Amino acid sequence: GAGVSQSPSNKVTEKGKDVELRCDPISGHTALYWYRQSLGQGLEFLIYFQGNSAPDKSGLPSDRFSAERTGGSVSTLTIQRTQQEDSAVYLCASILQGSGTYEQYFGPGTRLTVT
Amino acid sequence: GDSVTQMEGPVTLSEEAFLTINCTYTATGYPSLFWYVQYPGEGLQLLLKATKADDKGSNKGFEATYRKETTSFHLEKGSVQVSDSAVYFCALRDNAGKSTFGDGTTLTVKP
Repeated sequence: GAGVSQSPSNKVTEKGKDVELRCDPISGHTALYWYRQSLGQGLEFLIYFQGNSAPDKSGLPSDRFSAERTGGSVSTLTIQRTQQEDSAVYLCASILQGSGTYEQYFGPGTRLTVT
Repeated sequence: GDSVTQMEGPVTLSEEAFLTINCTYTATGYPSLFWYVQYPGEGLQLLLKATKADDKGSNKGFEATYRKETTSFHLEKGSVQVSDSAVYFCALRDNAGKSTFGDGTTLTVKP
Protein backbone atom coordinates (compact mmCIF):
# COMPACT_ATOMS: atom_id res chain seq x y z
CA GLY A 1 0.00 0.00 0.00
CA ALA A 2 1.00 3.64 -0.20
CA GLY A 3 3.44 4.88 2.37
CA VAL A 4 3.86 8.29 3.93
CA SER A 5 4.36 10.95 1.29
CA GLN A 6 5.78 14.43 1.63
CA SER A 7 5.86 17.38 -0.70
CA PRO A 8 7.79 19.10 -2.03
CA SER A 9 10.84 16.85 -1.95
CA ASN A 10 13.10 19.87 -2.22
CA LYS A 11 12.44 23.52 -1.47
CA VAL A 12 14.81 26.43 -1.91
CA THR A 13 13.59 29.72 -0.50
CA GLU A 14 14.97 33.13 0.27
CA LYS A 15 15.51 34.25 3.82
CA GLY A 16 12.41 35.94 5.18
CA LYS A 17 9.92 34.06 3.01
CA ASP A 18 7.25 31.73 4.38
CA VAL A 19 7.16 28.04 3.40
CA GLU A 20 4.61 25.26 3.74
CA LEU A 21 5.58 21.60 3.89
CA ARG A 22 2.99 18.90 3.39
CA CYS A 23 2.68 15.39 4.81
CA ASP A 24 0.20 12.71 3.73
CA PRO A 25 0.25 9.92 6.32
CA ILE A 26 -0.71 6.33 5.68
CA SER A 27 -4.48 6.05 5.45
CA GLY A 28 -5.99 5.18 8.81
CA HIS A 29 -2.94 6.13 10.84
CA THR A 30 -4.11 8.21 13.75
CA ALA A 31 -0.83 9.66 15.02
CA LEU A 32 1.52 11.93 13.09
CA TYR A 33 4.94 13.35 13.94
CA TRP A 34 7.14 16.06 12.46
CA TYR A 35 10.92 15.99 12.93
CA ARG A 36 13.83 18.07 11.70
CA GLN A 37 17.16 16.52 10.71
CA SER A 38 20.01 18.94 10.26
CA LEU A 39 23.18 17.90 8.44
CA GLY A 40 25.05 15.35 10.54
CA GLN A 41 22.55 15.61 13.38
CA GLY A 42 19.91 13.33 14.80
CA LEU A 43 16.19 13.78 14.57
CA GLU A 44 14.83 16.76 16.44
CA PHE A 45 11.22 16.30 17.52
CA LEU A 46 8.98 19.19 16.47
CA ILE A 47 5.32 18.32 16.98
CA TYR A 48 3.05 15.31 17.52
CA PHE A 49 -0.63 14.88 16.63
CA GLN A 50 -2.65 12.05 18.16
CA GLY A 51 -6.22 11.62 17.06
CA ASN A 52 -8.42 14.48 18.20
CA SER A 53 -6.23 15.39 21.17
CA ALA A 54 -4.44 18.71 21.40
CA PRO A 55 -1.07 18.38 19.64
CA ASP A 56 2.18 18.22 21.60
CA LYS A 57 4.00 21.31 20.31
CA SER A 58 6.83 21.17 22.82
CA GLY A 59 9.50 20.68 20.16
CA LEU A 60 8.71 23.68 17.96
CA PRO A 61 11.87 25.86 18.11
CA SER A 62 10.15 29.23 17.82
CA ASP A 63 6.79 30.88 17.17
CA ARG A 64 7.72 31.07 13.50
CA PHE A 65 6.91 27.36 13.31
CA SER A 66 3.35 26.04 13.30
CA ALA A 67 1.56 22.93 12.11
CA GLU A 68 -1.95 21.77 11.60
CA ARG A 69 -3.61 18.52 10.74
CA THR A 70 -6.86 18.76 8.86
CA GLY A 71 -9.52 16.10 9.13
CA GLY A 72 -7.19 13.85 11.06
CA SER A 73 -5.18 13.16 7.93
CA VAL A 74 -3.00 15.56 5.94
CA SER A 75 -0.66 17.80 7.92
CA THR A 76 1.03 21.05 6.96
CA LEU A 77 4.12 22.44 8.68
CA THR A 78 4.49 26.19 8.15
CA ILE A 79 7.67 28.15 8.74
CA GLN A 80 7.26 31.92 8.66
CA ARG A 81 10.05 34.40 7.94
CA THR A 82 12.54 31.62 7.24
CA GLN A 83 16.09 31.91 8.50
CA GLN A 84 19.23 30.17 7.26
CA GLU A 85 19.33 28.00 10.38
CA ASP A 86 15.98 26.53 9.31
CA SER A 87 17.78 24.69 6.50
CA ALA A 88 17.35 20.98 7.17
CA VAL A 89 15.45 17.88 6.11
CA TYR A 90 11.94 17.88 7.55
CA LEU A 91 10.59 14.40 8.17
CA CYS A 92 7.05 13.27 8.79
CA ALA A 93 6.06 9.93 10.32
CA SER A 94 2.77 8.25 11.15
CA ILE A 95 1.67 5.48 13.47
CA LEU A 96 -1.38 3.27 13.62
CA GLN A 97 -2.36 3.79 17.26
CA GLY A 98 -3.64 0.70 18.94
CA SER A 99 -1.57 -1.61 16.76
CA GLY A 100 0.68 -2.35 19.70
CA THR A 101 3.86 -2.01 17.65
CA TYR A 102 4.28 1.77 17.84
CA GLU A 103 6.35 1.55 14.66
CA GLN A 104 6.76 4.93 13.00
CA TYR A 105 6.52 4.93 9.22
CA PHE A 106 8.63 7.73 7.83
CA GLY A 107 8.18 9.75 4.69
CA PRO A 108 11.10 10.59 2.37
CA GLY A 109 11.42 14.08 3.80
CA THR A 110 11.49 17.60 2.42
CA ARG A 111 14.93 19.16 2.05
CA LEU A 112 14.60 22.86 2.83
CA THR A 113 17.37 25.24 1.86
CA VAL A 114 17.14 28.87 2.95
CA THR A 115 19.45 31.16 1.00
CA GLY B 1 12.87 15.78 29.61
CA ASP B 2 13.61 12.49 27.93
CA SER B 3 16.94 11.97 26.22
CA VAL B 4 18.78 9.33 24.22
CA THR B 5 22.56 9.12 24.03
CA GLN B 6 24.20 6.82 21.55
CA MET B 7 27.76 6.00 20.69
CA GLU B 8 29.41 8.58 18.54
CA GLY B 9 30.50 7.54 15.12
CA PRO B 10 31.53 6.98 12.58
CA VAL B 11 32.20 3.31 13.13
CA THR B 12 34.23 1.41 10.54
CA LEU B 13 34.45 -2.39 10.64
CA SER B 14 35.63 -5.16 8.42
CA GLU B 15 33.12 -7.68 7.10
CA GLU B 16 32.26 -10.43 9.62
CA ALA B 17 33.37 -8.30 12.58
CA PHE B 18 31.27 -8.03 15.74
CA LEU B 19 29.23 -4.85 16.11
CA THR B 20 28.12 -3.01 19.22
CA ILE B 21 26.51 0.41 19.15
CA ASN B 22 25.82 1.69 22.65
CA CYS B 23 22.60 3.46 23.55
CA THR B 24 21.51 4.78 26.93
CA TYR B 25 18.41 6.75 27.80
CA THR B 26 16.80 8.87 30.47
CA ALA B 27 13.05 8.88 30.77
CA THR B 28 10.29 8.92 33.34
CA GLY B 29 8.04 5.92 33.44
CA TYR B 30 8.52 2.93 31.20
CA PRO B 31 9.26 3.91 27.62
CA SER B 32 9.35 1.65 24.59
CA LEU B 33 12.75 1.46 22.91
CA PHE B 34 13.61 1.25 19.23
CA TRP B 35 16.45 1.05 16.76
CA TYR B 36 15.81 2.63 13.36
CA VAL B 37 18.11 2.34 10.35
CA GLN B 38 18.65 4.67 7.40
CA TYR B 39 20.36 3.03 4.45
CA PRO B 40 22.09 5.30 1.92
CA GLY B 41 19.54 7.14 -0.18
CA GLU B 42 16.59 5.65 1.69
CA GLY B 43 14.20 6.75 4.41
CA LEU B 44 14.24 5.75 8.05
CA GLN B 45 12.81 2.36 8.84
CA LEU B 46 12.29 0.35 11.98
CA LEU B 47 14.97 -2.25 12.66
CA LEU B 48 13.82 -3.66 16.00
CA LYS B 49 11.99 -2.74 19.18
CA ALA B 50 11.38 -3.72 22.80
CA THR B 51 8.44 -2.54 24.85
CA LYS B 52 9.32 -3.65 28.37
CA ALA B 53 12.27 -4.48 30.58
CA ASP B 54 14.28 -7.58 29.65
CA ASP B 55 12.60 -7.83 26.24
CA LYS B 56 14.98 -8.61 23.39
CA GLY B 57 14.28 -7.16 19.98
CA SER B 58 15.81 -8.89 16.99
CA ASN B 59 15.79 -8.57 13.23
CA LYS B 60 18.20 -9.29 10.35
CA GLY B 61 20.76 -10.70 12.78
CA PHE B 62 20.70 -7.58 14.97
CA GLU B 63 19.70 -7.78 18.62
CA ALA B 64 19.13 -5.36 21.48
CA THR B 65 17.96 -6.05 25.04
CA TYR B 66 15.96 -3.54 27.11
CA ARG B 67 18.02 -3.16 30.32
CA LYS B 68 16.08 -1.12 32.83
CA GLU B 69 18.74 -1.37 35.52
CA THR B 70 21.35 0.25 33.29
CA THR B 71 18.85 2.25 31.17
CA SER B 72 20.46 0.84 28.06
CA PHE B 73 19.46 -0.68 24.72
CA HIS B 74 22.74 -1.55 23.00
CA LEU B 75 22.59 -2.80 19.42
CA GLU B 76 24.66 -5.88 18.55
CA LYS B 77 25.35 -8.07 15.56
CA GLY B 78 27.70 -11.00 15.54
CA SER B 79 28.92 -10.73 11.95
CA VAL B 80 28.35 -7.57 9.93
CA GLN B 81 28.08 -7.41 6.17
CA VAL B 82 28.84 -4.63 3.71
CA SER B 83 25.09 -4.25 3.22
CA ASP B 84 24.73 -3.24 6.89
CA SER B 85 26.46 0.06 6.14
CA ALA B 86 23.94 2.69 7.22
CA VAL B 87 23.09 5.23 9.92
CA TYR B 88 21.55 3.70 13.03
CA PHE B 89 19.29 5.66 15.39
CA CYS B 90 18.28 4.68 18.90
CA ALA B 91 14.91 6.05 20.01
CA LEU B 92 12.40 5.91 22.82
CA ARG B 93 8.67 6.51 22.96
CA ASP B 94 7.14 7.63 26.22
CA ASN B 95 3.71 6.67 27.50
CA ALA B 96 2.19 9.84 26.04
CA GLY B 97 3.43 8.91 22.57
CA LYS B 98 6.23 11.44 22.26
CA SER B 99 9.40 10.10 20.65
CA THR B 100 13.01 11.08 21.26
CA PHE B 101 15.85 10.04 18.95
CA GLY B 102 19.59 9.84 19.42
CA ASP B 103 21.99 11.62 17.09
CA GLY B 104 22.63 8.55 14.95
CA THR B 105 25.73 6.43 14.44
CA THR B 106 27.17 5.93 10.97
CA LEU B 107 28.41 2.41 10.32
CA THR B 108 30.67 1.59 7.38
CA VAL B 109 31.52 -2.04 6.73
CA LYS B 110 34.48 -2.71 4.44
CA PRO B 111 34.90 -5.94 2.47
